[in-house]
Amino acid sequence: GAGVSQSPSNKVTEKGKDVELRCDPISGHTALYWYRQSLGQGLEFLIYFQGNSAPDKSGLPSDRFSAERTGGSVSTLTIQRTQQEDSAVYLCASSLGFTSGNEQYFGPGTRLTVT
Amino acid sequence: KQEVTQIPAALSVPEGENLVLNCSFTDSAIYNLQWFRQDPGKGLTSLLLIQSSQREQTSGRLNASLDKSSGRSTLYIAASQPGDSATYLCAATSGYALNFGKGTSLLVTP
Repeated sequence: GAGVSQSPSNKVTEKGKDVELRCDPISGHTALYWYRQSLGQGLEFLIYFQGNSAPDKSGLPSDRFSAERTGGSVSTLTIQRTQQEDSAVYLCASSLGFTSGNEQYFGPGTRLTVT
Repeated sequence: KQEVTQIPAALSVPEGENLVLNCSFTDSAIYNLQWFRQDPGKGLTSLLLIQSSQREQTSGRLNASLDKSSGRSTLYIAASQPGDSATYLCAATSGYALNFGKGTSLLVTP
């Protein structure tokens, strides 16, 4: 079956612009996660959705970052007024949840470059 | 917060060797531990998931073990092949968020 998909695969934007990153989870997966992978920080957790609710937003690095999920499916991560330190690969993952061991499956990522 | 460390950071072996990658974590109240493979410029591929009640999992030439009391997991790769060259990441969770190590970069030479 189809895996997790993300778009765009690459995004180059100018400092100060807003960007939207999209994630389509595996069909039927109720949990969705966003992570960020950067050279200096490794892989870090950003936010978790259970259905359309985000019980934990503690990983979002600043109030310029926000995310939503609609219909228990697609999620969008929005970064406002982008800064150069936002350059990273943004990875989305989904899982069936804790009843199935919560194995997380990752998408290919969106590489964001802020110039 | 769960801290995860992977040793070694890089490893180069000739084809055919058996090898072990190590992962340690600080919080023994672990829910599960997941091993991933990442190829350059790609996302993460899940290799094995070990739940807290399990001691090991096997898939083909891969075997992962979990020792909660010592805070350690190992990934054993048998009869390594050049196609195994990639970065291997260990991630532990005490809830829903995965806490990742920085990975072991593996090169298998023909």
